[in-house]
Amino acid sequence: EDKVVQSPLSLVVHEGDTVTLNCSYEVTNFRSLLWYKQEKKAPTFLFMLTSSGIEKKSGRLSSILDKKELFSILNITATQTGDSAVYLCAVEGSGDDMRFGAGTRLTVKP
Amino acid sequence: EAGVAQSPRYKIIEKRQSVAFWCNPISGHATLYWYQQILGQGPKLLIQFQNNGVVDDSQLPKDRFSAERLKGVDSTLKIQPAKLEDSAVYLCASSFLGYGEKLFFGSGTQLSVL
Repeated sequence: EDKVVQSPLSLVVHEGDTVTLNCSYEVTNFRSLLWYKQEKKAPTFLFMLTSSGIEKKSGRLSSILDKKELFSILNITATQTGDSAVYLCAVEGSGDDMRFGAGTRLTVKP
Repeated sequence: EAGVAQSPRYKIIEKRQSVAFWCNPISGHATLYWYQQILGQGPKLLIQFQNNGVVDDSQLPKDRFSAERLKGVDSTLKIQPAKLEDSAVYLCASSFLGYGEKLFFGSGTQLSVL
């Protein structure tokens, strides 16, 4: 059965810290891996990764995919209180549906 | 561009009652998804439509949940009768093609079953 596992489940840091969020997966016929940020209810898109080793970057956020070891990481540098959210990893396989992990709840304290 | 619209935002019902949620996707998006997100968990796909046809409803509890997307645009999700464990946020999402691209999510409906 397809599986997406995120770690840690929750994380508390102080402003300015750097964090690394992990996502490992087992999916039949992998197509893509996506990261979303969920602050209240609606997840908002961050990155889509399809190729190994190519870093995607947007401001202080970056992400990379390792298709051999079946995982991805999301890095956030110089964290701010506005980064506090649940970060969701989702993987699309052969069934065209998107399977989500349980998420990592990040709390950034001033 | 207008986003994915959902209503209502909140709903409180008693167990065994019925409830319906509405979703209007982004104009031109062929694929529409309903997800259930229980507190502390990631979204779980309930049903996926491509235009007005069902692509995947394998995780939809069909004895109590139903969904339709008449005319391939907006959609309704119904629960009848509701159980306590149905308390969750129901998220609607849409995408243009349905594969290899990001989903756009609505603000969700928070359902509390008492």
